Amino acid sequence: KQEVTQIPAALSVPEGENLVLNCSFTDSAIYNLQWFRQDPGKGLTSLLLIQSSQREQTSGRLNASLDKSSGRSTLYIAASQPGDSATYLCAVRPAGGSYIPTFGRGTSLIVHP
Amino acid sequence: ETGVTQSPTHLIKTRGQQVTLRCSSQSGHNTVSWYQQALGQGPQFIFQYYREEENGRGNFPPRFSGLQFPNYSSELNVNALELDDSALYLCASSAGHYNEQFFGPGTRLTVL
Repeated sequence: KQEVTQIPAALSVPEGENLVLNCSFTDSAIYNLQWFRQDPGKGLTSLLLIQSSQREQTSGRLNASLDKSSGRSTLYIAASQPGDSATYLCAVRPAGGSYIPTFGRGTSLIVHP
Repeated sequence: ETGVTQSPTHLIKTRGQQVTLRCSSQSGHNTVSWYQQALGQGPQFIFQYYREEENGRGNFPPRFSGLQFPNYSSELNVNALELDDSALYLCASSAGHYNEQFFGPGTRLTVL
């Protein structure tokens, strides 16, 4: 059974810092991995989708990397801003026919001015 | 392009009642998935509909059921509500099983 862990659970940083959020998964047989952002009480906003054959994806100040062999993905946020404050979740879809995703519990990020 | 919408936004029910939640998928998407998210947890997969048929189900009892309509909108029905059903219910649509998922704003269900 796939398990997804996100560390740290919470993070508070000053504005302008570059930061890295981690997502670890136990079964490396994945189809893809998707990063989301969630504001309190709201739905999820898709940030980046990485296919299993890819090593990284970039969108603006965000860069996500994937290392299947070690069961890890990282989300890099450059020059953080207060508007980046949210919970960041990763979701892993398995390879091999079952596409049911497994989510981590998220990293709660606060960027203070 | 219209995004994923859900209704209602909030709902309060009492134990034992039944509830129906609705989701309109993003234009061009034929796949809808439903999730339950308890406070402080990641979303838990309930089931997925593809072209009007359920084709994947998570670890949820049969009192959680759903429908997908020809226009790919979807309903989630929960019978015999329990206190533990209180959660944020999220709908996501995608253009196929494995493609990028786009989520709606969610329905907050409170069971008293």
